[in-house]
Amino acid sequence: AQKVTQAQTEISVVEKEDVTLDCVYETRDTTYYLFWYKQPPSGELVFLIRRNSFDEQNEISGRYSWNFQKSTSSFNFTITASQVVDSAVYFCALNYGGSQGNLIFGKGTKLSVKP
Amino acid sequence: ETGVTQSPTHLIKTRGQQVTLRCSSQSGHNTVSWYQQALGQGPQFIFQYYREEENGRGNFPPRFSGLQFPNYSSELNVNALELDDSALYLCASSLDLDRYSGNTIYFGEGSWLTVV
Repeated sequence: AQKVTQAQTEISVVEKEDVTLDCVYETRDTTYYLFWYKQPPSGELVFLIRRNSFDEQNEISGRYSWNFQKSTSSFNFTITASQVVDSAVYFCALNYGGSQGNLIFGKGTKLSVKP
Repeated sequence: ETGVTQSPTHLIKTRGQQVTLRCSSQSGHNTVSWYQQALGQGPQFIFQYYREEENGRGNFPPRFSGLQFPNYSSELNVNALELDDSALYLCASSLDLDRYSGNTIYFGEGSWLTVV
């Protein structure tokens, strides 16, 4: 079965702390894509990153970094020196060959960054 | 700003009524998908349209239907509304989305539907 698990329902940190959001996925396909989206209270899903299954290089974008490990089927997201504006719900999603290009989402992790 | 716009942003309907939600996809995107997001849950795929044809559907009953127009804008129609249909409905657009492309999918801000 195709599935995405985000075990952390809610995380609360103080500004400037580093925080890691976990994502574990399941798929039998060898070609697939993994995404992270940010959802502020307004509701819009903001695209953060897309990673294909053949590229296991970690990626850094400013304070954001992603660690993709096929051996453990994980695609974790780290925010360094968190800020209050990072407060949102973060979703990990899987797009696999049999899904016609559509996304299987995890249940999301609500991140609260306190000043 | 993703270029995907949805209307209306909020609406309240009575059980048994019908609702139409609208979406304008990002310029040049020929694929539109609709998702339902219940409170506290991740979005669930309803269906997808590619060049005006439905080419994928999630586990939703036939009273959820859709259309895509030649300009690639789209509508989601829900008949015989039930209380459980209360949710955020998200439209997403992409270019030539198929099993091999893995193109990025951009979402609108959604339509909040409350059924009373």
